[in-house]
Amino acid sequence: NAGVMQNPRHLVRRRGQEARLRCSPMKGHSHVYWYRQLPEEGLKFMVYLQKENIIDESGMPKERFSAEFPKEGPSILRIQQVVRGDSAAYFCASSPPGLAGGDTQYFGPGTRLTVL
Amino acid sequence: ELKVEQNPLFLSMQEGKNYTIYCNYSTTSDRLYWYRQDPGKSLESLFVLLSNGAVKQEGRLMASLDTKARLSTLHITAAVHDLSATYFCAVVPNAGGTSYGKLTFGQGTILTVHP
Repeated sequence: NAGVMQNPRHLVRRRGQEARLRCSPMKGHSHVYWYRQLPEEGLKFMVYLQKENIIDESGMPKERFSAEFPKEGPSILRIQQVVRGDSAAYFCASSPPGLAGGDTQYFGPGTRLTVL
Repeated sequence: ELKVEQNPLFLSMQEGKNYTIYCNYSTTSDRLYWYRQDPGKSLESLFVLLSNGAVKQEGRLMASLDTKARLSTLHITAAVHDLSATYFCAVVPNAGGTSYGKLTFGQGTILTVHP
């Protein structure tokens, strides 16, 4: 059973470009979470999605950031017009359906975004 | 706003010694998680603690949860070099029965075990 897959693993963008990060949850998991880890810091929650629904986006910056989890295909975290402060590791986690709070979240390997 | 604080943030240990990492949180919760992260890697789940008084052990690591004190501990017994990593605790707050898996992480404890 493959784990949570993220791609790309490393992404370099110039200021003003768009970054698109993909996450495929573990098989059978329908809950997806995105977290951001700035250098030397802990992880910060960004958004929680179920298939075709954004459940909680309270951790998302108000502008330039968006997320989706379509019926088919991976979850996408999109950052428009990137700035240097967006440089970070972005982790996706998934958990099975049901009461997600009681289940462990399994983390993907992360995408390390560098903005030049 | 839920706050999760770990201490110490940096821990340098000699092999064979024991030590404890503390995780305090500011709101009611009965779901607490410990993760390990190696440099440049993802997070590996260590323990899930789901009730007051829960204690779990795996090898040289033991985790406990006291929901009344809002405190979890991660105890390291007879440390070995392979335990060197960053350890995070993370909490899911109770939210009137509608809580879900939104994790709030502590700052992390960087553990270095020396020969």
